Amino acid sequence: ILNVEQSPQSLHVQEGDSTNFTCSFPSSNFYALHWYRWETAKSPEALFVMTLNGDEKKKGRISATLNTKEGYSYLYIKGSQPEDSATYLCANYGGATNKLIFGTGTLLAVQP
Amino acid sequence: IAGITQAPTSQILAAGRRMTLRCTQDMRHNAMYWYRQDLGLGLRLIHYSNTAGTTGKGEVPDGYSVSRANTDDFPLTLASAVPSQTSVYFCASSSSGGPDTQYFGPGTRLTVL
Repeated sequence: ILNVEQSPQSLHVQEGDSTNFTCSFPSSNFYALHWYRWETAKSPEALFVMTLNGDEKKKGRISATLNTKEGYSYLYIKGSQPEDSATYLCANYGGATNKLIFGTGTLLAVQP
Repeated sequence: IAGITQAPTSQILAAGRRMTLRCTQDMRHNAMYWYRQDLGLGLRLIHYSNTAGTTGKGEVPDGYSVSRANTDDFPLTLASAVPSQTSVYFCASSSSGGPDTQYFGPGTRLTVL
């Protein structure tokens, strides 16, 4: 994998559903993996910065895991609420650039 | 001021005109960044500065210039705007130029006609 890839591109769930999405990134020269939450008409806000293989971070109902050897991270949302509706971005720091490279995001819509 | 501010919020510009987007942070962060956000392409780095007095090129630097005369300000200049520079521009900062969390401004929506 040369770039940061996120899947699915969009996701529609019902309130109360749990959901997860994937971020894939180049595993070579890895330093850190970032997750951001981006609400419409606002700016991206940091959720997690993860650096170690096997890392698991949690903030309320949102958690994330990291596998640096195979180059992927999962973001989980337990019991989705309408206020969780946003685009979730991941970004890889490392690879050839030593700058943050962003994926195109997963757009989550939670219906009441 | 709390965090990062950007000005203007939005702007419509005729092609060929010069435009400077302003970015100011009050967190005393060393590193600052400019990204553009285009549909289907995500956030792409235009230029960055790891510390006052230094700047570097990102992924899409052509047609843009930056300066970093002090810690707080990081203006982005379009010397002669073209329609392909129509985008939403985000400024960000982080404590250092490494893998630290980046904090984003509210964005500037620029339309070049």
